[in-house]
This record gives sequence, C-alpha cells and structure tokens, in this order.
Amino acid sequence: DVKVTQSSRYLVKRTGEKVFLECVQDMDHENMFWYRQDPGLGLRLIYFSYDVKMKEKGDIPEGYSVSREKKERFSLILESASTNQTSMYLCASSIQGHYYGYTFGSGTRLTVV
Amino acid sequence: QKEVEQNSGPLSVPEGAIASLNCTYSDRVSQSFFWYRQYSGKSPELIMSIYSNGDKEDGRFTAQLNKASQYVSLLIRDSQPSDSATYLCAVSDQTGANNLFFGTGTRLTVIP
Repeated sequence: DVKVTQSSRYLVKRTGEKVFLECVQDMDHENMFWYRQDPGLGLRLIYFSYDVKMKEKGDIPEGYSVSREKKERFSLILESASTNQTSMYLCASSIQGHYYGYTFGSGTRLTVV
Repeated sequence: QKEVEQNSGPLSVPEGAIASLNCTYSDRVSQSFFWYRQYSGKSPELIMSIYSNGDKEDGRFTAQLNKASQYVSLLIRDSQPSDSATYLCAVSDQTGANNLFFGTGTRLTVIP
C-alpha cells in the first residue's frame, strides 16, 4: 500500500513562528499536494507539485511556501504563523494522469496560539 | 473555477437501508470522478472511482455516473453504523498534475 507520512499529528506553535510541516511518500508518485481543511469550508488547495523542484500555487497560497527538493518529500512552510492558520493540514500524493485518485497522509492538526 | 456541489446533510438512514449520496459538477469535460470517505478526525480515504457513464459496483458500494447531466452518486447498500462518516466527491481537471476538485462533503449517520 502507498504510504504518505506526515511528520506530526498535532502541533502547537506561537504566533510569528516559522513552521515546517513535512510529508513523505514511499511509492514514487510524481504529484504531491498540500491542503487545509476547515469546518464548513472543505478541502482547500494550498500548493501542489508535479515534479522535483516544481511548485504551483493552489487556491490559498498566501502565507505559505513549499519545498520539494526530493521526489518523495514535500514540505509546507508557514513563514510567520498566525492564528487564522490554525487548521488541519493534509498532504496527498498521486501518480501522473487523471485516472488516479489521491492518497492522503494522516493529517497534522496545527494550533497557532 | 470548477464547482463540485454536494448536499452537506446530515443524512440519516436506519441500519440496513440504502444511503444515497449525490454530487453535481460544473465542468462538462471532467472525465474522472472519485468518492472519499472521511471519518471524524481522520484523513480522507479513497473508496470508489468511476470514469464511464453507468454504474460501478464494489461490494456494498455502487457509484453512478451521468455525464450528460453532470452528476455522480454513491449508493451504500445495507448501511452499517460503521459507514457513518463524511463522504467527499472529487472531480479531476484533466491536467497532468491531476488536480482534484472536492465538494464540501455529505455527512452520513447510520442509526442502529
């Protein structure tokens, strides 16, 4: 089975801190994605990447950046955490091509205080 | 912007009944459709995919696709309390990056 591993299940950070969320997949998938999920708003795409060192903005990239130095790892960076970034963050990966769904990681629940 | 619409629910059905979950989408050229199940506090899990008009069955689950009407549905037969979850509909955008557009989900409760 494809495994997508997110480094932390729960995180509590202070306002203004730089926060790193790590995601690693073990099945050589080309595509990787970062979403946040909030009650009533559903899944919102922050950034995605379809190749090493490539990145594309999603619907809500403001306040975030990403890094993909290796194919298996996709990192989400909150440059200066704010309370409105308190959310569930979900990483996903997929094979190239529209016939394939995503495999999600277990999620990181981030609280910014 | 591609739209994927689902009734938010909650949808309540008695144990053993058929649960019917519906989804409509705005992009007529969409070709790939997915259903995810998400338990409270957990991440979404892919349960069904469908690409052609008609029905696709997998155990107690049946996905139905009608591209002319731009809707996709999920039927759960013999519903069990363990089926209680939020069900997300997702539609692919055809690019090589395989971007999926998600609905906000329908919350299903199966009453014992």
